[in-house]
Amino acid sequence: ETGVTQTPRHLVMGMTNKKSLKCEQHLGHNAMYWYKQSAKKPLELMFVYSLEERVENNSVPSRFSPECPNSSHLFLHLHTLQPEDSALYLCASSQDGQGARGNTGELFFGEGSRLTVL
Amino acid sequence: AQSVAQPEDQVNVAEGNPLTVKCTYSVSGNPYLFWYVQYPNRGLQFLLKYITGDNLVKGSYGFEAEFNKSQTSFHLKKPSALVSDSALYFCAVRDPLYSSASKIIFGSGTRLSIRP
Repeated sequence: ETGVTQTPRHLVMGMTNKKSLKCEQHLGHNAMYWYKQSAKKPLELMFVYSLEERVENNSVPSRFSPECPNSSHLFLHLHTLQPEDSALYLCASSQDGQGARGNTGELFFGEGSRLTVL
Repeated sequence: AQSVAQPEDQVNVAEGNPLTVKCTYSVSGNPYLFWYVQYPNRGLQFLLKYITGDNLVKGSYGFEAEFNKSQTSFHLKKPSALVSDSALYFCAVRDPLYSSASKIIFGSGTRLSIRP
């Protein structure tokens, strides 16, 4: 158990569906992230939510919409996806901030949500 | 700009033999360095990190890594490989000038295969 829980673990959806991925962290961290992992491609940082910043990778299509209602929960809303969006979506959390005790900024990942778009 | 390189896509080792997975980095100051492991259909698991101090860092599952500043390397090692060590390994670097883990840069990954 990493302290970061993702649901669902597997999702199959059509291109016209609307679905959401959920992530919850139980580590008391102040930052959460969505990464996309596709076969034979580098890990892609999609979105960051933290006390210090909200970062959106400008190359991420608008059919992906993040939501972070509080520091423990993160959602990725999916709408009219394409088959090339099929990938493993990883949520992560960290404790960020200069001078924060014990902050070395490593990431703690969930088990991932395997998305298949038909 | 910071970067990290894993020069080998795949490393094959016989069970019981020592293993090394290579990583080199480029960062302006003293780096924070990390190794992660990913088993099939799982997320990335943190193995070990170098922040400061002793250049030899020990981590989970018997792995260790040596920070070499002159060669800008942070190779992952294990004295005796197990079949269960077969997985995808990622090296990562962060410039400590950045306070956010969003600035962590990951390597492309090395697939480690241990044959019985």
